[in-house]
Amino acid sequence: EPEVTQTPSHQVTQMGQEVILRCVPISNHLYFYWYRQILGQKVEFLVSFYNNEISEKSEIFDDQFSVERPDGSNFTLKIRSTKLEDSAMYFCASNAQGGLIGELFFGEGSRLTVL
Amino acid sequence: AQSVTQLDSHVSVSEGTPVLLRCNYSSSYSPSLFWYVQHPNKGLQLLLKYTSAATLVKGINGFEAEFKKSETSFHLTKPSAHMSDAAEYFCVVISSSNTGKLIFGQGTTLQVKP
Repeated sequence: EPEVTQTPSHQVTQMGQEVILRCVPISNHLYFYWYRQILGQKVEFLVSFYNNEISEKSEIFDDQFSVERPDGSNFTLKIRSTKLEDSAMYFCASNAQGGLIGELFFGEGSRLTVL
Repeated sequence: AQSVTQLDSHVSVSEGTPVLLRCNYSSSYSPSLFWYVQHPNKGLQLLLKYTSAATLVKGINGFEAEFKKSETSFHLTKPSAHMSDAAEYFCVVISSSNTGKLIFGQGTTLQVKP
């Protein structure tokens, strides 16, 4: 069964360092997303990406964050200068349809710990 | 704007007894609603979805949910809990922004006691 894969599963970094989280979406999917879940809180939308550009982003997704799909398969989330409050589980997701009925398929998450 | 509210942060049941996880939604139009489950150290897995077809939706692992417009509810049920059902459950609605963005509830932790 096709699945979304994420690497690394866990990353520990120092405050101020750059972090790149990687995702391989399901191969025929066209819409890509990043969500995050701070420990004990609900899952929050960060950004959606379609046709090689951001289609929507949340207030959380400020200038420190960026996404790209450099090679047509990987979908990456970069945090330029990490803060303590960036510590969270980051989930990548993809779907084939987008819109109002598409089902999102999630990866298992990348846990980021900022010290 | 769309939103969902999960009425219980924690539910505890005995194995073999029914499960009820409550969710109310707010939407200016007929929403698409989902239940996702997250087992410890795992990703988010879709249990079931409602997209304006039948109001009673059957999902995986014996779960089902009923869309009730008059009550703005989408409660998740299962007739008989199994130990493997212990997990975090999220009620989710699709945003009206048409980008496929999901809006999550706060989550309900289901504990199943032997």
